[in-house]
Amino acid sequence: EIVMTQSPATLSVSPGERATLSCRASQSVRSNLAWYQQKPGQAPRLLIYDASTRATGIPARFSGSGSGTEFTLTISSLQSEDFAVYYCQQYNTWPPYTFGQGTKLEIK
Amino acid sequence: QVQLQESGPGLVKPSQTLSLTCTVSGGSIRSGDYYWNWIRQHPGKGLEWIGHIYYSGSPYYNPSLKSRVTISVDTSKNQFSLKLSSVTAADTAVYYCASQYSSSPGGEYFDNWGQGTLVTVSS
Repeated sequence: EIVMTQSPATLSVSPGERATLSCRASQSVRSNLAWYQQKPGQAPRLLIYDASTRATGIPARFSGSGSGTEFTLTISSLQSEDFAVYYCQQYNTWPPYTFGQGTKLEIK
Repeated sequence: QVQLQESGPGLVKPSQTLSLTCTVSGGSIRSGDYYWNWIRQHPGKGLEWIGHIYYSGSPYYNPSLKSRVTISVDTSKNQFSLKLSSVTAADTAVYYCASQYSSSPGGEYFDNWGQGTLVTVSS
């Protein structure tokens, strides 16, 4: 099973600033990685797939990068609606598909 | 865009079987582009993939749950279902159904999710 490790667990950033979230895989997942956003009481929402492709309707301030074992989600200028929990997920090697433990992005 | 809706009991007794159904609308479950998934989230915790099924193929399960899980599909009703046997309090979670895009054998990312349903295991 591929273990996905996200850092930091909690990130405090001010609105308008840049946020950088990290995700590391225990072995290479090539570019087979997705990012999701989850707000309280809601289902996760797909943001990024194939490591760097924005899903339909996702604003351009969200960008993904990386390949192999190291990945980054960047939110260029934080809006109030961006404060949430973010998960990475690998789909290179399965079963099982695995998720990171999440990074909580909170208002500073 | 595909929409998904979970349904089933919100309370299950220990040792019994948890049964949930996901109804797909806005698209056909027979679409060759998708796998159909169950994912759960323990209270305040992360996401755990339970398993998936293709409309015409065999299901795949998380090895950690494989002995207790059955996922099936009913194409006539555009639904797929989850059964989890011998439940304990550790199975208390929000259960999501989700579609998973697939451009090749095996699924990729989860692009549409149901709203989730909380299932509590308690006597």
